[in-house]
Amino acid sequence: DTAVSQTPKYLVTQMGNDKSIKCEQNLGHDTMYWYKQDSKKFLKIMFSYNNKELIINETVPNRFSPKSPDKAHLNLHINSLELGDSAVYFCASSPRGTGGETQYFGPGTRLLVL
Amino acid sequence: QKEVEQNSGPLSVPEGAIASLNCTYSDRGSQSFFWYRQYSGKSPELIMFIYSNGDKEDGRFTAQLNKASQYVSLLIRDSQPSDSATYLCAVVPLNSGYSTLTFGKGTMLLVSP
Repeated sequence: DTAVSQTPKYLVTQMGNDKSIKCEQNLGHDTMYWYKQDSKKFLKIMFSYNNKELIINETVPNRFSPKSPDKAHLNLHINSLELGDSAVYFCASSPRGTGGETQYFGPGTRLLVL
Repeated sequence: QKEVEQNSGPLSVPEGAIASLNCTYSDRGSQSFFWYRQYSGKSPELIMFIYSNGDKEDGRFTAQLNKASQYVSLLIRDSQPSDSATYLCAVVPLNSGYSTLTFGKGTMLLVSP
């Protein structure tokens, strides 16, 4: 029974398109995250939501818009995709979002923009 | 800007040896430290966390923290080929309020049979 799941696993699309990635967690956690891992494997936080509210928004282009319909789901919509958006996007969750908690990662969505 | 530094490697060790992975961090206020393992094409998974100065052991893994020197390390004893992966060091600032992990770029470990 998957704890943090993401769809799709792979996404290949053309520059300029709009795409969405979905994430769901069944751990009962309050906090969810989006991370981006680039080609050099550097994993960087993009957003964090706690109980559907945005709490952390790192310097991310506003083409990226997260949405949390409930605390178990966090989706990421990307407008006008660019070549540099190609990366692996990981969703994660943690119980409350406070420091010191373990974060549980989803399997990742591999996005390739052509 | 808070930074976490790791040698990218690869660190190559023979099977059965001790692998030593190091990490330094710039934010002196950091309170929580994590080691994640990431196999190629997979998601990060937690290996260990440490909050206090000193050593913390869990099976073949030992995390070491020295806040005065701002470094944290991970020792893997009796290394196995299945330990071959990228090891990510992650740091969290003050243990209050909402905070996120700041990751290093990871060290690739290769354990040869």
